[in-house]
Amino acid sequence: AQKITQTQPGMFVQEKEAVTLDCTYDTSDQSYGLFWYKQPSSGEMIFLIYQGSYDEQNATEGRYSLNFQKARKSANLVISASQLGDSAMYFCAMRPAGGTSYGKLTFGQGTILTVHP
Amino acid sequence: SQTIHQWPATLVQPVGSPLSLECTVEGTSNPNLYWYRQAAGRGLQLLFYSVGIGQISSEVPQNLSASRPQDRQFILSSKKLLLSDSGFYLCAWSEEGVEQYFGPGTRLTVT
Repeated sequence: AQKITQTQPGMFVQEKEAVTLDCTYDTSDQSYGLFWYKQPSSGEMIFLIYQGSYDEQNATEGRYSLNFQKARKSANLVISASQLGDSAMYFCAMRPAGGTSYGKLTFGQGTILTVHP
Repeated sequence: SQTIHQWPATLVQPVGSPLSLECTVEGTSNPNLYWYRQAAGRGLQLLFYSVGIGQISSEVPQNLSASRPQDRQFILSSKKLLLSDSGFYLCAWSEEGVEQYFGPGTRLTVT
């Protein structure tokens, strides 16, 4: 079974500063994928970034980067130059890479990020 | 480009009434489809997923059922709603080996 833990219920950051949202995971799979999604108050889940377990380099997508430390089973999201529009709930998720569970995402409990002007 | 639709956007239903939520995807063929539920302030829980027409897998025992009558249509149903069925229901689609894309969701309140 897979498990995602997000230990920060809420985070605050000043506009234009960087912020790190923590995510640790537990799995017995050798191959898996890690995701971060953003959920604004409207409710829609927005895909941000993906990291494969065998990817040697950390994933980056614009202002988002994923700090992947496989030995520590952590996949923290780093948002650089925070903007007011970044205020939202952020979810870390993982899925196995194959087998009958392929495609099924397991989500963490989420972190509410508030960006102050 | 691909788009995913869900309706209705909000729904208030009495306990014991039936439920039908619909999800449709445009711009892709034979997608994997998923239904998730999100309780207030919580993460998402996978309810059902489907890899093709008529192929439904249930993740948790519950009062709900799902059907996929067409390639890009996924329906979530219940014959008799419970108070515990209240929540935010999200439909998602994916292609093989790619991330999941979510619809706008349906906020269900059972009274």
